[in-house]
Amino acid sequence: DTGVSQDPRHKITKRGQNVTFRCDPISEHNRLYWYRQTLGQGPEFLTYFQNEAQLEKSRLLSDRFSAERPKGSFSTLEIQRTEQGDSAMYLCASSSHRDAQGADTQYFGPGTRLTVL
Amino acid sequence: QKEVEQDPGPLSVPEGAIVSLNCTYSNSAFQYFMWYRQYSRKGPELLMYTYSSGNKEDGRFTAQVDKSSKYISLFIRDSQPSDSATYLCAMRFGNEKLTFGTGTRLTIIP
Repeated sequence: DTGVSQDPRHKITKRGQNVTFRCDPISEHNRLYWYRQTLGQGPEFLTYFQNEAQLEKSRLLSDRFSAERPKGSFSTLEIQRTEQGDSAMYLCASSSHRDAQGADTQYFGPGTRLTVL
Repeated sequence: QKEVEQDPGPLSVPEGAIVSLNCTYSNSAFQYFMWYRQYSRKGPELLMYTYSSGNKEDGRFTAQVDKSSKYISLFIRDSQPSDSATYLCAMRFGNEKLTFGTGTRLTIIP
């Protein structure tokens, strides 16, 4: 296990459809984060988990968005009734409180690029 | 006003030049400061991390943090075409979410 993986890498959907993305963090990383990045902008925080507990949600995360991390390992992010404004790169990151640098450094996956037509 | 401000560029410099990238921020509670590099259509890759004020060097890269001025910098020496990417500054307080700048798009011209 060499890094954070995300699936799918690309998703094209029609407005109104539901989509689900998966993130597999680095093994034994207890923290997992979701960010959204639109063109020309830096990533924006959506939510994060410590183990299976969802500890914070951004106000960017509307009621149409839900995230889970049922067993404290992989996580899913679901968007219901997608809108064109949801088109973005969805990034997952993980970190460990036992980071050797003591920095709880976040390592990012390759992202899932969502296009809503 | 955004918590973290970063000039989006684009910035073009000749190969071998020294590159200076900067961010300013408004939240004095930020304690951890990072620089990420992001190639087109890829996820951000951690380059440098610094805790509180000071300098940190790693090969051709030097990160500086001046908390009194709320200003951070990344210097790249002997720039290479492979350094062409978007550079994102990021910061946080405690073990929580990162707040990013918009990113600076850098091109190194051979």
